[in-house]
Amino acid sequence: NAGVTQTPKFRILKIGQSMTLQCAQDMNHNYMYWYRQDPGMGLKLIYYSVGAGITDKGEVPNGYNVSRSTTEDFPLRLELAAPSQTSVYFCASSYLTGTEAFFGQGTRLTVV
Amino acid sequence: GENVEQHPSTLSVQEGDSAVIKCTYSDSASNYFPWYKQELGKRPQLIIDIRSNVGEKKDQRIAVTLNKTAKHFSLHITETQPEDSAVYFCAAPSDSAAGNKLTFGGGTRVLVKP
Repeated sequence: NAGVTQTPKFRILKIGQSMTLQCAQDMNHNYMYWYRQDPGMGLKLIYYSVGAGITDKGEVPNGYNVSRSTTEDFPLRLELAAPSQTSVYFCASSYLTGTEAFFGQGTRLTVV
Repeated sequence: GENVEQHPSTLSVQEGDSAVIKCTYSDSASNYFPWYKQELGKRPQLIIDIRSNVGEKKDQRIAVTLNKTAKHFSLHITETQPEDSAVYFCAAPSDSAAGNKLTFGGGTRVLVKP
């Protein structure tokens, strides 16, 4: 099992560019989450999904979009990148909210 | 929605001493309380969890206690070692009309001094 796989691991974007952070899990988990972690800070929920075709906003959704067309994949789209989106992005998945969440290795994004 | 508060934000202990981190949550429907450890540059990983039908759970040098009435839970690390130095996060899920999400506390940076 690969678990939760995120790509890319690192990326530098210029202000105004767009990109998609990929996340895939092979554990047949229903729940998937996107968090951002600013330096020295906690994990803030951006978007989450409870199953294919269902997504909902978290704590800090502005500037991001997601889709969940399959159980396995949960991509995060950044439109018009801004310096405030410089962060480490973690994707996570769990079978239910009351079970262990498994994290991907993270994507370190810098917007310049 | 769920609000999770974690204290302290930093904790420095001497090797061999104990460390205690506390979290409070707001959603009384929450029934699962995990703790994650994040080493520098790594992903968060689960170290221990507790369900609401249990008041305490131990795993070697770590333990978690839960007080559902007061809506708080704590992580206890005994006989701390340098490898315990990391950031620790508590979390609480919510399954309600407000959404099905996993909310994390702000984290506690633990430094174990040799």
